Amino acid sequence: DVKVTQSSRYLVKRTGEKVFLECVQDMDHENMFWYRQDPGLGLRLIYFSYDVKMKEKGDIPEGYSVSREKKERFSLILESASTNQTSMYLCASRGGARYTFGSGTRLTVV
Amino acid sequence: KQEVTQIPAALSVPEGENLVLNCSFTDSAIYNLQWFRQDPGKGLTSLLLIQSSQREQTSGRLNASLDKSSGRSTLYIAASQPGDSATYLCAVKDNAGNMLTFGGGTRLMVKP
Repeated sequence: DVKVTQSSRYLVKRTGEKVFLECVQDMDHENMFWYRQDPGLGLRLIYFSYDVKMKEKGDIPEGYSVSREKKERFSLILESASTNQTSMYLCASRGGARYTFGSGTRLTVV
Repeated sequence: KQEVTQIPAALSVPEGENLVLNCSFTDSAIYNLQWFRQDPGKGLTSLLLIQSSQREQTSGRLNASLDKSSGRSTLYIAASQPGDSATYLCAVKDNAGNMLTFGGGTRLMVKP
């Protein structure tokens, strides 16, 4: 089975900090995604990548950037964290038709 | 823009009941539809994937159906168990684009 690993389960950061969320998949998938999940708003796509160094904006890219230097790793970057970025962040990888999600990172910005 | 709706938002049933979760989508030009399970504070686990050309998929006590023309999918859970308690999400992938559009989920509680 494909494994998608997010490096942190819980993070607490201060307003204004630069935050890196890391995601690694082990099946050589080309497509990787970052979502955030908020109560009442569901899952919303932030960014996705369809190949190394390639990226596309999702529905809510503002305040975020991404990096895909290697095929297996897709990083989400909060350039200057704000309290409204407190959320659950989910990474996903797609092989063929099926999406596989990581366990999520719950980020709290104080 | 594709919109996905799940009804009901929450459901509580006694153990042993058969139940149906509903998912509807506004644009029938979908590539596939996927059902996921999410336990509290955890990531998503894929349950069933239905391609647009398929009518249903089955895995154990789970059966998902797809009626693309009417924009509907159902997830049927037979003989529910307390371990089935979770949030169930459906998501569609359109023919165009690379993204999934998610419904808001149905929070299921199965009482012993």
